[in-house]
Amino acid sequence: EVQLLESGGDLVQPGGSLRLSCAASGFTFSSYAMSWVRQAPGKGLEWVSAISGGGGTTHYADSVKGRFTISRDNSKNTLSLQMNSLRAEDTAVYYCAKMERLSGNSNSIVDYWGQGTLVTVSS
Amino acid sequence: DIQMTQSPSSLSASVGDRVTITCRASQGIRNDLGWYQQKPGKAPKRLIYAASTLQSGVPSRFSGSGSGTEFTLTISSLQPEDFATYYCLQHNSYPLEFGQGTKVEIK
Repeated sequence: EVQLLESGGDLVQPGGSLRLSCAASGFTFSSYAMSWVRQAPGKGLEWVSAISGGGGTTHYADSVKGRFTISRDNSKNTLSLQMNSLRAEDTAVYYCAKMERLSGNSNSIVDYWGQGTLVTVSS
Repeated sequence: DIQMTQSPSSLSASVGDRVTITCRASQGIRNDLGWYQQKPGKAPKRLIYAASTLQSGVPSRFSGSGSGTEFTLTISSLQPEDFATYYCLQHNSYPLEFGQGTKVEIK
């Protein structure tokens, strides 16, 4: 059974930093791309970042590019998101998500989600 | 970047009704689209992938169709447990993009 457990959410001041982690189990972690998706209070889903199974390829939403860094440790089955220069608009529940490649010529799509961790950016 | 326009943003329906939700892509995305259901306070759950393939364990009253730029999620006979918010997601190219969501409420 796929399990994704996020941690690290907290209250942080604008301009501050925070590191989120996601512990994965129930699948061969290094074989799958992973993503972070966020949801601001009362709003819709927003894809944030993705990383390939080997960690060599990363993608970011324009809203976080240059401020957030996604990484993974395949020896520990852990996904991370380093968030710097945080803004009020980064306040959201952050979900760790496993991705699945459906065919050789398409990008991966989210198939499983963690339960999320809340990040609040406020003074 | 590919933009996803989902409609309607909300709808009211009764148990047993047929419900249709639409997502339009700003450019062709083949069938690189999934549909997700989210209930309040819970993580989303995938219902459909590759535009029309039903996720294992999802009831057959859910179906997806479309290719290119126009996609549809249909619930053939709405059940009480189906009242939730639904999102489409395109994965044809980065950045990935979700639709704005459709909240299905009880009439």
